[in-house]
Parts: sequence; structure tokens; C-alpha cells
Amino acid sequence: EVQLVQSGAEVKKPGESLKISCKGSGYSFTSYWIGWVRQMPGKGLEWMGIIYPGDSDTRYSPSFQGQVTISADKSISTAYLQWSSLKASDTAMYYCARLREYSSSSHYYYGMDVWGQGTTVTVSS
Amino acid sequence: DIQMTQSPSSLSASVGDRVTITCRASQSISSYLNWYQQKPGKAPKLLIYAASSLQSGVPSRFSGSGSGTDFTLTISSLQPEDFATYYCQQSYSTLGTFGPGTKVDIK
Repeated sequence: EVQLVQSGAEVKKPGESLKISCKGSGYSFTSYWIGWVRQMPGKGLEWMGIIYPGDSDTRYSPSFQGQVTISADKSISTAYLQWSSLKASDTAMYYCARLREYSSSSHYYYGMDVWGQGTTVTVSS
Repeated sequence: DIQMTQSPSSLSASVGDRVTITCRASQSISSYLNWYQQKPGKAPKLLIYAASSLQSGVPSRFSGSGSGTDFTLTISSLQPEDFATYYCQQSYSTLGTFGPGTKVDIK
């Protein structure tokens, strides 16, 4: 079974650092991009960035560039999202998801077909 | 950046109703449009990719259409398990912007 399993809920104080994880199994982890998506309480989905574990090529949304770091360790099929100094506004649910490429009419499309269960991050003094 | 809008932001419907949700991109994205369903406390689920292709395992009552800037998600006969929030997402650019969501609840 293809799955992504995320690390557990975190409660942190402002200014603390944090690294959450997303472990893939049941497929070739190095052959698919992994994306991170933020969902603030009661709000919609926000695309944060993606990483290709095969070569660690990483792309960030301008909104999150410099605010978080996305990385991966292909030897253990795990992607990471980390903060060096958390803010209260980082309180949210964070999802990782696999980007699958689909071929249709000689074009290539992608969709996020497998999602982790989400990691809740609470930042409060 | 490509901006995505959805309408309506919410709607109330009954079981058996035909429901249509609209998504608009700020520039042409060809058919690079996905639809997701999210239920409370759960991760999103991919329903439609490439504007109109049904993801494996998704019921055929879901369909998508459109190209360029205007897209629709249609649920032909709303079922109890379909009450959820629906998001569109453009996959034209690396920055895969999501729409703000449409909440479908019970009338």
C-alpha cells in the first residue's frame, strides 16, 4: 500500500525550532515529488513548496521562501519541513502529499494523489 | 503568480441534487486543473486531474470540465458522503495555487 506517514502533533513556544517528517512507503520514494501544504485553523489549503527526493531539487512558494526549509533523506524515504524560529502565525495543520504525473493527450499533468495524515503544529507562549 | 477563485464559497443542497462548483484562473492554464475533496479533520482527496480526468476509485457522479480560465466540478446526484469542502488547484506552474474552497453542506 502506498502511504505517507507524518510525525505527531507538536506544541512549541515562539522562537523555538522544529522539524516535522513525512515517511513514504509502498512506492519508489525517489521517483516522485513531495509537496507540503499548510492549512491554518478554519482556512483553506496553501501550497508551500516541493522537493524531488531523487536529487533534492526544491522549489518554494514566494510566500514561504526563507520562512521554512524543505529537505529529504532518500536513504530513509523521508521528507522534512523545518522552521528555525517559530511564530504564533505558524500554528496550522501541515500536510505532505505525493505529486503523481499523469499523461493525457500527449500532455503531462500532475496531481497530489497520496496525502499524509497531517501534523498539527501549535505555537503558543 | 496565478490566482484561483471559486464560486460559490458555500452552498446548501439536498441528497440527490445536482451540484456545480466553478473555479476561475487569473490567466489561461489550459487543462492544468485539479479538484480535491476535504472532509473535516481529514486530508484532502484528489477527485479530478487534468480538468476532466477522474482519479482512480472516485465515483462517476463526479465530473470536471473546462479549459483556459474557467472550470466546473459537477456532482450529478449528491450523496450523504459528498458533504465536504471542495478545492480547485492549478498545476500549470510549479507553484500549485489552490482556490479558496467551496463548502457543500446539507440543506
